[in-house]
Amino acid sequence: RKEVEQDPGPFNVPEGATVAFNCTYSNSASQSFFWYRQDCRKEPKLLMSVYSSGNEDGRFTAQLNRASQYISLLIRDSKLSDSATYLCVVNRGGRRALTFGSGTRLQVQP
Amino acid sequence: NAGVTQTPKFRVLKTGQSMTLLCAQDMNHEYMYWYRQDPGMGLRLIHYSVGEGTTAKGEVPDGYNVSRLKKQNFLLGLESAAPSQTSVYFCASSTGLAVSYEQYFGPGTRLTVT
Repeated sequence: RKEVEQDPGPFNVPEGATVAFNCTYSNSASQSFFWYRQDCRKEPKLLMSVYSSGNEDGRFTAQLNRASQYISLLIRDSKLSDSATYLCVVNRGGRRALTFGSGTRLQVQP
Repeated sequence: NAGVTQTPKFRVLKTGQSMTLLCAQDMNHEYMYWYRQDPGMGLRLIHYSVGEGTTAKGEVPDGYNVSRLKKQNFLLGLESAAPSQTSVYFCASSTGLAVSYEQYFGPGTRLTVT
C-alpha cells in the first residue's frame, strides 16, 4: 500500500465549477501536510499547507481529518489556469523529508 | 535570485555510462534533496543532505551517490547507468527552520538510459 494515495483522475470540469480532491495517508505519525501543484513537465510548487483546523487561501480550501487520515483540497470557481496536477504531500517529522502522492490531474475546460 | 538550478536539463546515456547531475541553490538553504519522478509513482526521495558535508539515504538510494562539498551545491552521481534509471530528476532545497517545510524545486533533468 502506498504511503500517500490519490485518485489520479483526470478530473475534467467546466470553468467556474467547484472541484474537490481527496488524499489518504497511511502513517499515523505524519505531522505536516501540504498540497503542491505541478504543471505539465515543470517542477512542483507549494500551493498551500494544510492545518488541523482547515485553512483557506482565496479560492482554495484545505481540510485535514487526522482520525480518518484524510486530506482534501477544494477549488471554487475553477479557472483555466488551475489545470495542473495536484500533489498531496506528507511529512513524518524528524528528517524533514516529504512523501509525495502520485498526483491528481485537473483539466478545466472552457 | 535564480533559486534552484539544475544542470543539465536533458541527457541520454548508454547503459554502463556514468554522469553527474549538478544542483545549485542561491537561497542559503541548509537542506537539499534529490528526487526522481516516474509516471504514476510520484516523487521518490533518492538522497538528501541536512548541511554542508553531510548526506543521507532516502527511499530509493541504490545506484546513486551524492556529495555536498559546498552548501550551495548538491551533486548526484550515477556510476553505471541502467535503463531503470530513466526518469526525471528533481533537486530541491529548504531552510533549516522548524516552522517551514516548503521545498523549492529546480526545473528538473530528463535522463534517458538506452
